[in-house]
Amino acid sequence: QVQVQQWGAGLLKPSETLSLTCAVYGGSLSGYYWSLIRQPPGKGLEWIGEMNHSGTAKYTPSLKNRVIIAVDTAKNQFSLRLTSVTAADTAMYFCARSHPPDSGWAPDIWGQGTMVTVSS
Amino acid sequence: QSVLTQPPSVSAAPGQKVTISCSGGRSNIAKYYVSWFQQLPGAAPKLIIYENDKRPSDIPDRFSGSKSGTSATLGITGLQTGDEADYYCGTWDSTLNAGVFGTGTKVTVL
Repeated sequence: QVQVQQWGAGLLKPSETLSLTCAVYGGSLSGYYWSLIRQPPGKGLEWIGEMNHSGTAKYTPSLKNRVIIAVDTAKNQFSLRLTSVTAADTAMYFCARSHPPDSGWAPDIWGQGTMVTVSS
Repeated sequence: QSVLTQPPSVSAAPGQKVTISCSGGRSNIAKYYVSWFQQLPGAAPKLIIYENDKRPSDIPDRFSGSKSGTSATLGITGLQTGDEADYYCGTWDSTLNAGVFGTGTKVTVL
């Protein structure tokens, strides 16, 4: 059974870089898209971006200039880097497995979530 | 703000039925499959409907999905206290070239 486990720093200062790593167990990165989604406290879900195993990435327009998603096929991991964070980036961050848009999209396997707080 | 609109809340008594609407547009719901997610308090979202109306094997048939034009609907019958959660629709948007989620709906069992 495929599982996604994630980890990263939980407390950042403004202007620092958020780094999150997501490890995939029980399955390969091939054939799927690997997504990052966040949820500010008390608010709804926000899709950040996704990448497939061959390196094709898509990002939400509002974060496009600050975000990089990378895939490491050797480690069966993918990762998020979000630069120049502010308090507005405080959120629970989720890693998830997704499908190509023309094949249903649907994030179907989610990590447990990592709470990231940005505060001086 | 989200491009997919849901009612903030719906409620019903145990055993009753609720429906949750998800309103979008020609660049998202009209073109792509819709998914639905259940988020219990303090937990990660869980996929409960994919490709408009399909259920993962562990989701009971009390949950159903449908799509028509630029809108989608989630139905929950035989409402149980364990169904109290936030529910989100989601799909792809060709204008944004990005995934999008609905605003979310809180289901309360009276």
